[in-house]
Amino acid sequence: GESVGLHLPTLSVQEGDNSIINCAYSNSASDYFIWYKQESGKGPQFIIDIRSNMDKRQGQRVTVLLNKTVKHLSLQIAATQPGDSAVYFCASISGSARQLTFGSGTQLTVLP
Amino acid sequence: DTEVTQTPKHLVMGMTNKKSLKCEQHMGHRAMYWYKQKAKKPPELMFVYSYEKLSINESVPSRFSPECPNSSLLNLHLHALQPEDSALYLCASSQDSGGARYIQYFGAGTRLSVL
Repeated sequence: GESVGLHLPTLSVQEGDNSIINCAYSNSASDYFIWYKQESGKGPQFIIDIRSNMDKRQGQRVTVLLNKTVKHLSLQIAATQPGDSAVYFCASISGSARQLTFGSGTQLTVLP
Repeated sequence: DTEVTQTPKHLVMGMTNKKSLKCEQHMGHRAMYWYKQKAKKPPELMFVYSYEKLSINESVPSRFSPECPNSSLLNLHLHALQPEDSALYLCASSQDSGGARYIQYFGAGTRLSVL
């Protein structure tokens, strides 16, 4: 079955440094990936997405990299700010049902 | 505007109560979803409505009853819940459940406590 997991449950970075959050997936049929940010007391917020026919996509201060060979994707946040502190979930979509499968989440803490 | 509105924000209910959670979106999305999220865990899919019809029920107990009155509204009726049902209930919507854009936009959730 589909499995999407994250390498590290927690990540602490200094303010201003770059953050890298990793995610591994097991279903090679996954063809679409999304990163969500969930702040305390809020619902998941869409950050960026990438299709499986791409290996990189950039947004504002964020970049998602996809390596289909090793079934790995990462979220890079440039110049991390205190407002970036949140739980980050990767999610994948595959199959005819097109259901969203979430990874376990990484808690990012930005240190002053 | 990518807003999904959920009410109430917080709900405390006894095991014999009947209550409803409400969700509304005005983005013209035709797919709507209910998720359950426990603390420090990812959201778990409960139900999917596509074009106002229930398309997916992830073996959710019958004490949870979804309803989609129209394309903008989604309700979750609760009855005879158990303390373990206490969680954050999230509503989401997307353009389509099977179309080209699968981005789901989430509401802030209803924090439910069952006593």
